[in-house]
Amino acid sequence: SQQGEEDPQALSIQEGENATMNCSYKTSINNLQWYRQNSGRGLVHLILIRSNEREKHSGRLRVTLDTSKKSSSLLITASRAADTASYFCATASQTGANNLFFGTGTRLTVIP
Amino acid sequence: SQTIHQWPATLVQPVGSPLSLECTVEGTSNPNLYWYRQAAGRGLQLLFYSVGIGQISSEVPQNLSASRPQDRQFILSSKKLLLSDSGFYLCALAASPLGYEQYFGPGTRLTVT
Repeated sequence: SQQGEEDPQALSIQEGENATMNCSYKTSINNLQWYRQNSGRGLVHLILIRSNEREKHSGRLRVTLDTSKKSSSLLITASRAADTASYFCATASQTGANNLFFGTGTRLTVIP
Repeated sequence: SQTIHQWPATLVQPVGSPLSLECTVEGTSNPNLYWYRQAAGRGLQLLFYSVGIGQISSEVPQNLSASRPQDRQFILSSKKLLLSDSGFYLCALAASPLGYEQYFGPGTRLTVT
């Protein structure tokens, strides 16, 4: 299966701290994406990093990609209570109709 | 910008009953469309995808089917629901060839009793 796995499954931090989530995957990819899901809602795209990129920033988000280790990390700096959500990584294969394969998610709780 | 509508938002159906979930999109033409299912506390499982009208690909053989009768309409169906069909169903689009990002609808919570 191409599906990724996030680590940790759950993370609880204080507001203002940084949150780091990791994702591992199994096959070669075209790109890797991170999504956020608030409870009971649809997913929201956060950031995409291509296989030839190593790091990407967007606001308080920093994503790294190590294709040799088939892993990625998402760092949220200066967390806020509103960042409380589940975060999923998703990989896009080098072939196919833009199909994404999602990981199992990290549940982040930011305590005010 | 793209908008995805899904209905109903919640649904409770008995085992053996039929199912029809509808997804419609606005703000884009000829998108790739996707149906995912999410079990409680789990990741997303891709069920079907469509690259055009009448073109359906199934990722996982199961008790469900999908159809795309119009460019911006994607329907998920079942003739007889099973308990294992319970879950959160999400419709998504990719505005190919603009990128690989997918945009998700609000989802339908299905409980089969």
